Amino acid sequence: QQPVQSPQAVILREGEDAVINCSSSKALYSVHWYRQKHGEAPVFLMILLKGGEQKGHEKISASFNEKKQQSSLYLTASQLSYSGTYFCGTEVGSQGNLIFGKGTKLSVKP
Amino acid sequence: NAGVTQTPKFRILKIGQSMTLQCTQDMNHNYMYWYRQDPGMGLKLIYYSVGAGITDKGEVPNGYNVSRSTTEDFPLRLELAAPSQTSVYFCASSYHQTGKNQPQHFGDGTRLSIL
Repeated sequence: QQPVQSPQAVILREGEDAVINCSSSKALYSVHWYRQKHGEAPVFLMILLKGGEQKGHEKISASFNEKKQQSSLYLTASQLSYSGTYFCGTEVGSQGNLIFGKGTKLSVKP
Repeated sequence: NAGVTQTPKFRILKIGQSMTLQCTQDMNHNYMYWYRQDPGMGLKLIYYSVGAGITDKGEVPNGYNVSRSTTEDFPLRLELAAPSQTSVYFCASSYHQTGKNQPQHFGDGTRLSIL
């Protein structure tokens, strides 16, 4: 039931792009994305509702394909500040509870 | 606004001891959550509450208890600490209404070691 994130880790140079995927075996009501820096609390990035909408936050955007039960997070022209672990949280039914993936560790190098 | 406040930030317990992790929020959120985070495993939901007086189990509730007597406070109780409960604990809150998704706001975490 835990969503599967891929890749597990990625290393980028500043200015490069990355895609992080989140797949679920269950039909999803929504997908939430969070970023967590080492030793800190997770910070909210965006929510996507079923309907295939795409949202953006700075140079970070995401899509949600409800038929495939997948969401992807797109990071363009990465900055050093983008380093951290990215988690997707999936909601089955409008219950308010999230099940989080294991995370994708993103490292951006100068 | 302070947001979600957790205390203590760090704690070392001996096996068999008990303790309460405190969590309070000042955003008038109806939903509150307790998670534990182990290295490489993501966030696992322990308990959650949809409002004062209502709590329910999450994915990993064994060994823990919660109560929600007020909208603001959601303490987590460990009765007989075991080494397997060594983890980082996060409290979170959100405003939830069917059809309206809102983000979860996290506290800074409590780092708990049981020796």
